[in-house]
Amino acid sequence: QLQLRESGPGLVKPSETLSLTCTVSGGSISSSDYYWALIRQPPGKGLEWIGAIYYSGSTYYNPSLKSRVTISVDTSKNQFSLKLNSVTAADTAVYYCARDFVVPDLWGQGTLVTVSS
Amino acid sequence: DIQMTQFPSSLSASVGDTVTITCRASQGISNYLAWFQQKPGKAPRSLIYAASSLQSGVPSKFSGSGSGTDFTLTINSLQPEDFATYYCQQYHSYPRTFGQGTNLEIK
Repeated sequence: QLQLRESGPGLVKPSETLSLTCTVSGGSISSSDYYWALIRQPPGKGLEWIGAIYYSGSTYYNPSLKSRVTISVDTSKNQFSLKLNSVTAADTAVYYCARDFVVPDLWGQGTLVTVSS
Repeated sequence: DIQMTQFPSSLSASVGDTVTITCRASQGISNYLAWFQQKPGKAPRSLIYAASSLQSGVPSKFSGSGSGTDFTLTINSLQPEDFATYYCQQYHSYPRTFGQGTNLEIK
């Protein structure tokens, strides 16, 4: 059964770069059926779609974050990754990886990233 | 961006009740609408896509309807495990956008 797991530092300093890796297990990230999405949720707030990537490297980004976001894929490792630069406290959130088959139908458990000095 | 508005933002109901949550899109999205359930400390769970199609394993007590700009999620015969926050999401265009959520609480 396919699973996703987020990994990365739980604490990032303001103005630095947030890096997060999503590892896919139990299936191939190179499936032509899916995009792979990143979604975040600030504490006590709603869901915000960050972006998505296809195994070929094709990406879609949220324009509200586009100038700061890069999503990449490493098919050899069955992983996709998020880099968000110049972070502020407003980027503190639970970050989720998800398989996107029309909609995000399978989610990782999420990882809390706190931006603080 | 397409704005998604849910109402009510919170709802109190009793076990056994039937409830309806509404989601409105700022422009027509055909039936490109999904619903998610989220419990505290957990990742969201996909319930419905294409406005009315149930994801595999989702019980038939959940139903969705609508097209264009107005959509509803109905939950029949509420059980304790149904009390959670529900989100709609449009996937008509990028960026995908979510409603602000409806918190369904036990009365």
